[in-house]
Amino acid sequence: SYELTQPPSVSVSPGQTARITCSGDALPKQYAYWYQQKPGQAPVLVIYKDSERPSGIPERFSGSSSGTTVTLTISGVQAEDEADYYCQSADSSGTSPVVFGGGTKLTVL
Amino acid sequence: QVQLQESGPGLVKPSQTLSLTCTVSGGSISSGDYYWSWIRQPPGKGLEWIGYIYYSGSTYYNPSLKSRVTISVDTSKNQFSLKLSSVTAADTAVYYCARGILDTAMVPYFDYWGQGTLVTVSS
Repeated sequence: SYELTQPPSVSVSPGQTARITCSGDALPKQYAYWYQQKPGQAPVLVIYKDSERPSGIPERFSGSSSGTTVTLTISGVQAEDEADYYCQSADSSGTSPVVFGGGTKLTVL
Repeated sequence: QVQLQESGPGLVKPSQTLSLTCTVSGGSISSGDYYWSWIRQPPGKGLEWIGYIYYSGSTYYNPSLKSRVTISVDTSKNQFSLKLSSVTAADTAVYYCARGILDTAMVPYFDYWGQGTLVTVSS
């Protein structure tokens, strides 16, 4: 089955830039989506179609794509950004139209 | 503002059927632009998509769960429902309902989520 690979954890100090990657063979052909999930809460969409930001999401959140890797970048990280982040995409065959990465725990030091 | 709310039993016995309902408010489930989905998250683990339904009743399920899953819709009540049969402890999870939007490759992404409901499978 298709897999999206994320690092288990990323740590940054407040004000620095956090980069969370997601790798998958089909990412050159499929859009990627990013969700933020804080403890005890439902996920929140923070990036759609690789790099688009939904209304209400701070400008410090951005997304990019290069080959088989997509990246969520959080510039000027704030304490409130500490959360789990999940990428989502699909395989290229249509067999698995929704696949989530394993998630990355962002720790703000 | 669209809101989704899950409801159903929090405890299900092994081998029985898990049943949950999602009530949508602030928008019509029949609008035609959205695909109404179920997603689950075992305690301390990641997200797993279960499936989605269109208001017309057409469905698409995760191949790994397809044999046990049924998703249905009741447009008159603005609700959609999940049934998962033959449950085991591995089905213990927080179950979320969510509104899906299809991209150009017919892949859904999820812009509104319910708060989630924990379902425990135990005797």
